Amino acid sequence: GAGVSQSPRYKVAKRGQDVALRCDPISGHVSLFWYQQALGQGPEFLTYFQNEAQLDKSGLPSDRFFAERPEGSVSTLKIQRTQQEDSAVYLCASSRSLIPGQGRFSEQFFGPGTRLTVL
Amino acid sequence: GNSVTQMEGPVTLSEEAFLTINCTYTATGYPSLFWYVQYPGEGLQLLLKATKADDKGSNKGFEATYRKETTSFHLEKGSVQVSDSAVYFCALDNYGQNFVFGPGTRLSVLP
Repeated sequence: GAGVSQSPRYKVAKRGQDVALRCDPISGHVSLFWYQQALGQGPEFLTYFQNEAQLDKSGLPSDRFFAERPEGSVSTLKIQRTQQEDSAVYLCASSRSLIPGQGRFSEQFFGPGTRLTVL
Repeated sequence: GNSVTQMEGPVTLSEEAFLTINCTYTATGYPSLFWYVQYPGEGLQLLLKATKADDKGSNKGFEATYRKETTSFHLEKGSVQVSDSAVYFCALDNYGQNFVFGPGTRLSVLP
């Protein structure tokens, strides 16, 4: 398919477990973003990659959160020792833009998200 | 910093009613402005966008005009349909900075 895909779509974890969430961006998209969307809220920025370089991780809520994009395409968001407050939908988006906010290429295309529930 | 404020929902309208969802923003410089829509059970989709002042974005009968003087990007539609029921997010994208979303406004259209 031509869109952004994410897996798994749903994940239930016991508190303390580690989880890994995968994102396959649109082929050729340079920029990749991760967002956290709590129930009834707008998405909140977590981290941003330009190719394989993680240029901004200011939104990661704690050092339990780690993201990587080793070959500049697929990305994985890992959460260690999950807590109940980590329950949310995790969204991935990709963009052609080299720099966020760069004019006509700045549109971000979103995946369907992974709903994480921590019990 | 950058921020987006939207009118609180939920908004409930009858079919064929006129829709306005207010959005105002705070940002330095000249951000791009977007409306994204999230239908039940689906991911975020771009509805429309405007990249400079006085631009009008439009799609599927929805319109929004980038008003720099009032720092607003209100979403309008002349006649809503049941299929427009969704959550609508206003967002901004500023050069070299993070994408910022509003909290979303849930729209329910009744037949």
